[in-house]
Amino acid sequence: ETGVTQTPRHLVMGMTNKKSLKCEQHLGHNAMYWYKQSAKKPLELMFVYNFKEQTENNSVPSRFSPECPNSSHLFLHLHTLQPEDSALYLCASSQGTGQVSGYTFGSGTRLTVV
Amino acid sequence: GQQLNQSPQSMFIQEGEDVSMNCTSSSIFNTWLWYKQDPGEGPVLLIALYKAGELTSNGRLTAQFGITRKDSFLNISASIPSDVGIYFCAGRNTGTASKLTFGTGTRLQVTL
Repeated sequence: ETGVTQTPRHLVMGMTNKKSLKCEQHLGHNAMYWYKQSAKKPLELMFVYNFKEQTENNSVPSRFSPECPNSSHLFLHLHTLQPEDSALYLCASSQGTGQVSGYTFGSGTRLTVV
Repeated sequence: GQQLNQSPQSMFIQEGEDVSMNCTSSSIFNTWLWYKQDPGEGPVLLIALYKAGELTSNGRLTAQFGITRKDSFLNISASIPSDVGIYFCAGRNTGTASKLTFGTGTRLQVTL
């Protein structure tokens, strides 16, 4: 399998649930990212990981907890979310954070919080 | 912070027509990228621009890096139904190498 794979594709969760989003890349990239895409808003960067180390947290609420066990895998742990957190969550990877090339995105997880 | 404004926000065009969209910034970027997002998918990179004034083509797509470094343009010639989707511009500075700033997107719909 190649590219950036995100699971699940769709997720419905209650506000008291705990769930996790998974991202896996088979491109040999060193940097991975979480983005949030809400309707009628620009893509919002959430977290950046470079060689498994978190290098950026874009003022994301603590109910979102990222984990990067290695350069190929990235998780986003979710707990006590709010309905306004419903969005498409996109994972991306790149060769490195210093590269000028673009990111490769996954297909996203469509999250609905009820 | 930096903002990227794309226009138009949405457009309906007939198959075969040419399309133009643009992206403007309140500050300078050193790299401009154009992405397309199909329904239910993540964005896919179309064209990357690295130099002011640069004009780059990818099939029916042509993009230009504005000479002021504060804008970029994307043109699609002879549109076809599969051009439907949302087109995003993205800018990057060497000073913020880890971060792409994305535009608000242009939604393109093609009528037969």
